[in-house]
Amino acid sequence: KQEVTQIPAALSVPEGENLVLNCSFTDSAIYNLQWFRQDPGKGLTSLLLIQSSQREQTSGRLNASLDKSSGRSTLYIAASQPGDSATYLCAPGGSQGNLIFGKGTKLSVKP
Amino acid sequence: GAGVSQSPSNKVTEKGKDVELRCDPISGHTALYWYRQSLGQGLEFLIYFQGNSAPDKSGLPSDRFSAERTGGSVSTLTIQRTQQEDSAVYLCASSLGDGGLYEQYFGPGTRLTVT
Repeated sequence: KQEVTQIPAALSVPEGENLVLNCSFTDSAIYNLQWFRQDPGKGLTSLLLIQSSQREQTSGRLNASLDKSSGRSTLYIAASQPGDSATYLCAPGGSQGNLIFGKGTKLSVKP
Repeated sequence: GAGVSQSPSNKVTEKGKDVELRCDPISGHTALYWYRQSLGQGLEFLIYFQGNSAPDKSGLPSDRFSAERTGGSVSTLTIQRTQQEDSAVYLCASSLGDGGLYEQYFGPGTRLTVT
């Protein structure tokens, strides 16, 4: 059974810092991995999708890497802004696309 | 274009009543997923549809839970004889296809409270 761990559980940084969120998963037989953000009381917003054959994906200030064999993914956020404050969720996907979620990293960016 | 929509946004029901939750996926998306987000439990997968068929029902927590999808579009998640532990936010997502090739786009969720 796939288990997903996200470290740290919470992170508080001053505006402008670069930061890294970590995700590890126990079953490396994944088809993709998706990163989401969730704002309080809201649904999930997709940030990046990495296919199992890819090593990284970039979107604006976000860069996600995937090391499938070691069961790790990282989300790098450059030049953080207060608007980046949210909970970030990592979710590796199985062959039918069903996602298994970690408990998330709650990020707070202070102005 | 329009995203995934869910209704109702909030539902309060008495223990023992049946409830129906609705999901309208993005037009043209053939795959549809239901998840549940409970306090302290995180997000868990419930059921997945490709077209109108549900190849994977493994995540449904009990036989009180069922789901259907008609016309390859709208899906309904039904919970019979609701219990307090069913209280959660129920999220629906859709994607262009299955097989793990496509991003999933989530709706805003239905917050279910069983009293």
